[in-house]
Amino acid sequence: SQKIEQNSEALNIQEGKTATLTCNYTNYSPAYLQWYRQDPGRGPVFLLLIRENEKEKRKERLKVTFDTTLKQSLFHITASQPADSATYLCAHRGRRALTFGSGTRLQVQP
Amino acid sequence: KAGVTQTPRYLIKTRGQQVTLSCSPISGHRSVSWYQQTPGQGLQFLFEYFSETQRNKGNFPGRFSGRQFSNSRSEMNVSTLELGDSALYLCASSLEAPGQANTEAFFGQGTRLTVV
Repeated sequence: SQKIEQNSEALNIQEGKTATLTCNYTNYSPAYLQWYRQDPGRGPVFLLLIRENEKEKRKERLKVTFDTTLKQSLFHITASQPADSATYLCAHRGRRALTFGSGTRLQVQP
Repeated sequence: KAGVTQTPRYLIKTRGQQVTLSCSPISGHRSVSWYQQTPGQGLQFLFEYFSETQRNKGNFPGRFSGRQFSNSRSEMNVSTLELGDSALYLCASSLEAPGQANTEAFFGQGTRLTVV
């Protein structure tokens, strides 16, 4: 079955830098990948969706890429701010449900 | 419009008891999913309902059950609680039917269940 893997548990960067988070999938290329943000004790919030045939998607300071050759999606936050500190989850909707990776906890230092 | 509402926000129960959690989806959404989130396991899918029918189920024991009402509100029940059931239980609603890959999920704040 499809597995979604976010290999980095945590990422610490300085304010103003670009944060890059990685999401890898193991089997078939999912038609879509979704990215969510989750703050402690709260439910995930949808950020972006990228289709298999889209190489890149942008929303304000966020950018997502989808590389079917590498079986990977990258999530970038440019000009990062301390308020961007949160856990970021990638997900794909398989046959049964929306399946999430384990998440990467981003900490932006002022 | 109002978001997904889960009640209660916090709950403390004793081993062996049962618990019922409630979820009111966004108005117009007919698909409701439930997830269990623990620090070690991340977000684990429990079940998904659409138009009062369970469409998908995750790998959880039969102690975990759910249902959906005609107004799309959903409840999940856990019987014979175990310590390991302590977790954040999240409900998500979606506008479209299960299996549609481009459907974003809207999550509630969750119910924090502690079993002692």
